[in-house]
Order: sequence, then structure tokens, then C-alpha cells
Amino acid sequence: DTTVKQNPRYKLARVGKPVNLICSQTMNHDTMYWYQKKPNQAPKLLLFYYDKILNREADTFEKFQSSRPNNSFCSLYIGSAGLEYSAMYLCASSNRDWGSAETLYFGSGTRLTVL
Amino acid sequence: GDKVKQSPSALSLQEGTNSALRCNFSIAATTVQWFLQNPRGSLMNLFYLVPGTKENGRLKSAFDSKESYSTLHIRDAQLEDSGTYFCAAEADMGYKLTFGTGTSLLVDP
Repeated sequence: DTTVKQNPRYKLARVGKPVNLICSQTMNHDTMYWYQKKPNQAPKLLLFYYDKILNREADTFEKFQSSRPNNSFCSLYIGSAGLEYSAMYLCASSNRDWGSAETLYFGSGTRLTVL
Repeated sequence: GDKVKQSPSALSLQEGTNSALRCNFSIAATTVQWFLQNPRGSLMNLFYLVPGTKENGRLKSAFDSKESYSTLHIRDAQLEDSGTYFCAAEADMGYKLTFGTGTSLLVDP
């Protein structure tokens, strides 16, 4: 089973309100990622967990938080949504063999619209 | 500049014809992955490559780390091949996959 599941599929949020997105995988992968995808742009890495260690990208450090209570689950948290957060949020997972990422498996995404 | 540059940005094909998509890297890519974005927006993995080639059905991909490029060849294009293709490269055993901006492919009957 190469499934990465994301909930919800669609999310509507108000400006200034928090948003929490959920991801799960059953492949026992050690690394889970969150990407932001806007139309006509490349997917942008926001953060990733390698095992229990969280790594956040420098330019999005203050905007996104995450937690990984166990190997299978990972959340993405936005404390105060702004209009610019409207995007597709893609969760992915992989194993890091000898330090190099193996095949990345993506979930079906959550489309966030901030009004 | 772009660390992963994809070309062409858009492509229209007749059903049954062949084509090649390309990614050029300005980073020292060690592995490359190719993805197809489905109509809903999710990304499906097509290939994971170390330097060399792989083939899967009508798709064939190559990665040349010395010349810093990768290609994706589509043979006998079908309507269901339509979508946006992304390549992504990992450099120097780092954690980060850097994505290109994609090639939008439309296959016409």
C-alpha cells in the first residue's frame, strides 16, 4: 500500500483564523514533508520531519508549524491565515536511505481557500 | 536563476506521436524524480533516477549527472498522458527536492 492520505480535501478559512491540516501514511516511512503548490508554480517545500526532527525552510519558518505524534501522522498548522495562504497543500513521505531521499509519495492534497 | 529549469513550458501533441521533455540543472543533482500532476492537483511519481535510464511502458527517462540534465520521453502519446509533468532534483545528499516549474502537456485526438 503506497497511500498517503490527507484530510480534508477542501478547506475554507477566514483571514486571521487558524488552520490545521492532517496527513497519514502507512508505509512506515521515516520522513514526511509538506509542500505548498500554487497554480503555474513549482511545489514549494515548507517543512519536513525526519523521524522526530522537524526542519522548517528559512523563508517560511514563522508561518507554519507542524507536529508528528507518531510515525504515521503529521499535521500542518497555520496560526493566522492570510489571503496568500490560499493554495494546494501536499503531504508526501519517503525513506531516507543512506541520507538520500528515496521515491517521494504524495497525498491527494488539501485545497485551502482563505477568505 | 532557476536551479531546475524545465522545457518546454507547454506542449501540444497529436495522439500517437512521440515527445521529449527536458530538465536542466544548475545544482549538482545526485538523484532525479519525475512526477505527473493529476487533474485534481496531486503528484504521481513516474520515475526515481540515479544517473542512468529507466523505462516503464511508453515512458522512458534518463539522467546524466555530468551534463546536468534529465529527459522524459513519451512514446505513442495517449489522451490520458495530458497533464503537467514536474521534475525534481536532489543535490549532494541533501534533504531537499528542488522542483522545476513544470511542462504542461496536452494530447489531442
